[in-house]
Amino acid sequence: DVKVTQSSRYLVKRTGEKVFLECVQDMDHENMFWYRQDPGLGLRLIYFSYDVKMKEKGDIPEGYSVSREKKERFSLILESASTNQTSMYLCASSLWIRPGQGGLVHGYTFGSGTRLTVV
Amino acid sequence: GQNIDQPTEMTATEGAIVQINCTYQTSGFNGLFWYQQHAGEAPTFLSYNVLDGLEEKGRFSSFLSRSKGYSYLLLKELQMKDSASYLCAVRVANQAGTALIFGKGTTLSVSS
Repeated sequence: DVKVTQSSRYLVKRTGEKVFLECVQDMDHENMFWYRQDPGLGLRLIYFSYDVKMKEKGDIPEGYSVSREKKERFSLILESASTNQTSMYLCASSLWIRPGQGGLVHGYTFGSGTRLTVV
Repeated sequence: GQNIDQPTEMTATEGAIVQINCTYQTSGFNGLFWYQQHAGEAPTFLSYNVLDGLEEKGRFSSFLSRSKGYSYLLLKELQMKDSASYLCAVRVANQAGTALIFGKGTTLSVSS
């Protein structure tokens, strides 16, 4: 069974702390994604990565950075946590699809999420 | 920019049929997904459309019209366990690859 694993289910951090959210997938997927989910705003894309050491900004990258040193691991970093970053963070992975290429190609698999509270 | 709209909330009764609509305006359309998400859980895949028409999968069906930027998810013979959020997502493409952009979700409440 394919899996995307997020290291923590619940996390409480203080304002100004550096926070690492880890995501590991065992499907040999090229693509990995970080989203945050907030009531009334839905899932919003923060960053994504198509390959090791490659990253692309999503819709709301401000205040975040990412690291992809190995294919299976994609880390989201909050350099200096703030209360407005309190949210549910979801990681996802998928096979790489070229622009214009169709097909489901296994779709996207999500992790269980990390609920981060910044106090 | 990217824009995906769906109703915020819907209610229905057990055994009924409900249709959840989704309209989108995005760049580089490369397929439309529907996900189901129960409270406190990760989204799970329901359906995928890349060509116009209806895709049927058991009690769930999804329709796509690319020219109208429109999709719907049809749920038949509703059950209490269908109470969940339903997320419409469009796969968009740029020169590097593709990513899923989500609507805000429709919360469906099924009552007996």
